[in-house]
Amino acid sequence: SQQGEEDPQALSIQEGENATMNCSYKTSINNLQWYRQNSGRGLVHLILIRSNEREKHSGRLRVTLDTSKKSSSLLITASRAADTASYFCATTGGGKLIFGQGTELSVKP
Amino acid sequence: SAVISQKPSRDICQRGTSLTIQCQVDSQVTMMFWYRQQPGQSLTLIATANQGSEATYESGFVIDKFPISRPNLTFSTLTVSNMSPEDSSIYLCSVEDPTGKTYEQYFGPGTRLTVT
Repeated sequence: SQQGEEDPQALSIQEGENATMNCSYKTSINNLQWYRQNSGRGLVHLILIRSNEREKHSGRLRVTLDTSKKSSSLLITASRAADTASYFCATTGGGKLIFGQGTELSVKP
Repeated sequence: SAVISQKPSRDICQRGTSLTIQCQVDSQVTMMFWYRQQPGQSLTLIATANQGSEATYESGFVIDKFPISRPNLTFSTLTVSNMSPEDSSIYLCSVEDPTGKTYEQYFGPGTRLTVT
């Protein structure tokens, strides 16, 4: 079964705007990861945040983690049309990745 | 990092037949993972394949339906047996970071299967 929920399920924004996606999970975690998938292709790892971290940055990406609420958010700043993709959060348990439902982001030029 | 290739990239198969998907990694890795992604859905782990031992299947997946081979540290196959239209999905293999330094996983490009 899936670890958690993501919202929104779909998000449509204009180029240059910021996009925020949220992820909730159910069990205790060691870390939480975000992945990107273009058009049903393979997934690409974006960023990992450990359970003892609250915020992490990588380029235009900012991830937050609130373990008390069992939730995480991914912020993409100054979005580009090339950011159009599906974004998934995933938690690690026993070496396995458990994925959320994903957010489909569409960035219109 | 790891570079993963999958064959075939896509296939259209008739119900009742079987398809074997190959996954090749450019590094030696202990564990390889097979996922299914049904249309419009997220990824669901099918099984974990360790070299030299039987694969470990997740709830809802059985060896008779999804036999897996792991003959060496760089290669694995997943067979989808006795296919039905419900098996139409993207099948992806992945591996952990071969250096063991991070928890990130690397994914193959996927095999898009359509069963008619």
